[in-house]
Amino acid sequence: ETGVTQTPRHLVMGMTNKKSLKCEQHLGHNAMYWYKQSAKKPLELMFVYNFKEQTENNSVPSRFSPECPNSSHLFLHLHTLQPEDSALYLCASSQSVSTDTQYFGPGTRLTVL
Amino acid sequence: QQQVKQSPQSLIVQKGGISIINCAYENTAFDYFPWYQQFPGKGPALLIAIRPDVSEKKEGRFTISFNKSAKQFSLHIMDSQPGDSATYFCAASRDGGNQFYFGTGTSLTVIP
Repeated sequence: ETGVTQTPRHLVMGMTNKKSLKCEQHLGHNAMYWYKQSAKKPLELMFVYNFKEQTENNSVPSRFSPECPNSSHLFLHLHTLQPEDSALYLCASSQSVSTDTQYFGPGTRLTVL
Repeated sequence: QQQVKQSPQSLIVQKGGISIINCAYENTAFDYFPWYQQFPGKGPALLIAIRPDVSEKKEGRFTISFNKSAKQFSLHIMDSQPGDSATYFCAASRDGGNQFYFGTGTSLTVIP
């Protein structure tokens, strides 16, 4: 596997479910990000991790809970989501938290019923 | 408040034509302006980027034009091909920052 991988690629969940999104980067980068992509909206940065430490939380509701056990893996734990949370969730990584190029995974298409 | 405004929302261009996508920003502290290309089912990928010390950067058929005084930058795709059909995002960030601010995206369709 190369680059940034995300699993699952598609997820359908009810509002009472608990699920997790997984991201893995094989690039040796130190920074990882979660973005939300909704139609006709700019990519929304959700969380930033630098050397496993969370450095940014852009006022994301607590029903989204990130976890970064090491520099290569990033999780997004989901619970009691709302239908408006349906979107494409993108993971990205970069060498450092700066203007370094960010490399994106293919995303997880989430549908909340 | 949207930090980066992008237009048009969608664009249809004939094969061989020039595709032009525009972005404008407000924060004069921004000093890095990348363009990302996204194909269906894929994440965005860096296409080309520019810093404000130059007014133009060209890589193959792709050119960024930058107007610092107007706080605008644009992507030009010369000799557009059907394989260029994708969504294009402009973005901006500042040195020392840890965040890119993205535009809303432009869906480009190049018809044969």
